[in-house]
Amino acid sequence: DAKTTQPPSMDCAEGRAANLPCNHSTISGNEYVYWYRQIHSQGPQYIIHGLKNNETNEMASLIITEDRKSSTLILPHATLRDTAVYYCIVDSARGKLIFGQGTELSVKP
Amino acid sequence: EAGVAQSPRYKIIEKRQSVAFWCNPISGHATLYWYQQILGQGPKLLIQFQNNGVVDDSQLPKDRFSAERLKGVDSTLKIQPAKLEDSAVYLCASSLGGGKGDTQYFGPGTRLTVL
Repeated sequence: DAKTTQPPSMDCAEGRAANLPCNHSTISGNEYVYWYRQIHSQGPQYIIHGLKNNETNEMASLIITEDRKSSTLILPHATLRDTAVYYCIVDSARGKLIFGQGTELSVKP
Repeated sequence: EAGVAQSPRYKIIEKRQSVAFWCNPISGHATLYWYQQILGQGPKLLIQFQNNGVVDDSQLPKDRFSAERLKGVDSTLKIQPAKLEDSAVYLCASSLGGGKGDTQYFGPGTRLTVL
């Protein structure tokens, strides 16, 4: 199972873009990169996922490097409600998700 | 579209007692997952069902934990007897097919405290 490496914590000013990095150097060619977030006392919330191409939805953008060994989640205009733990996950066999420690993002006024 | 429902939201029991959690997945989702999340850690998969069959239960402590999904819809997770280290949030998730590229949607979780 491919492992991911994320910084344990990050700060971001409200209204600015939040760029959350993730390393997944052992990713295989058919493994997707997923991002979830978990706000305190809630279940994980799906944000976005991708295989090779960059992806964008109403919540965020996902930029995957050409060699697929790393990715960046971009929240274009962070708000206080985006304060959460963000998990970068590479799916394994049968779509199994293995969560790491994640990045604790603090959005500050 | 209704999300994944779980009950109860909170449960407090004494060690050696038994407890059961219930999950109702998103309508039409064939795959259902139970995760355990200990405070300060990411969720850990306990068991994965495809319809009413078990796909992966390699991380389920089978001496005390059991789970079933008899009709391929709702699921229950049981702990008998509970230990102090079982204190955690138990999360249920569901996905349409369960394969690569599929998206799992999580419920709010059940917070279990074992005294």
